[in-house]
Amino acid sequence: DAKTTQPTSMDCAEGRAANLPCNHSTISGNEYVYWYRQIHSQGPQYIIHGLKNNETNEMASLIITEDRKSSTLILPHATLRDTAVYYCIVRVAGGNEKLTFGTGTRLTIIP
Amino acid sequence: GAVVSQHPSRVICKSGTSVKIECRSLDFQATTMFWYRQFPKKSLMLMATSNEGSKATYEQGVEKDKFLINHASLTLSTLTVTSAHPEDSSFYICSALEQAFNQPQHFGDGTRLSIL
Repeated sequence: DAKTTQPTSMDCAEGRAANLPCNHSTISGNEYVYWYRQIHSQGPQYIIHGLKNNETNEMASLIITEDRKSSTLILPHATLRDTAVYYCIVRVAGGNEKLTFGTGTRLTIIP
Repeated sequence: GAVVSQHPSRVICKSGTSVKIECRSLDFQATTMFWYRQFPKKSLMLMATSNEGSKATYEQGVEKDKFLINHASLTLSTLTVTSAHPEDSSFYICSALEQAFNQPQHFGDGTRLSIL
């Protein structure tokens, strides 16, 4: 699986949009971009994934650049409960491919 | 959404005890489940991939005789830490992969294991 690079930490004011960047410059054509988050002392929570088109669900939006070398996860109206470590992972869809977690971005929502 | 239940959530045992952790997919079938381990302030490290009806595949450096994995049905995988010692104390997390194409892994809430 391609490697990803994320900032170590970020702060965001409550109520504002949180934009979390991820670089994946070696991504292959059949690899998807997945985002998970882990709130302290809990298991990771799936957020969203996409291949090349932008995606939106009830939790977040995923913007993938045209060359697919980077992406941004957007939490439109951050709340204190969004404080967590966010992981950007690329993997091939289908089959039994494992997820390789990097260090992620520690997002802190400031009241 | 897909739910994965992990039990127990916390275990405190004496050294030398064997501990079994269960991972269940509650509303979907999972031919593949994964077991991870996480030390404080570190990221998740994959220990093994568990396939229903066959032997688990262990990552390099993970002792298969120490961490026994059984995946007897499409909704249940178990991890048994045998003869646990204090260095086995960690946060153990399972995930399950739906059989359908392009579905994400869903994670349990983890088991915090403390060996005294």
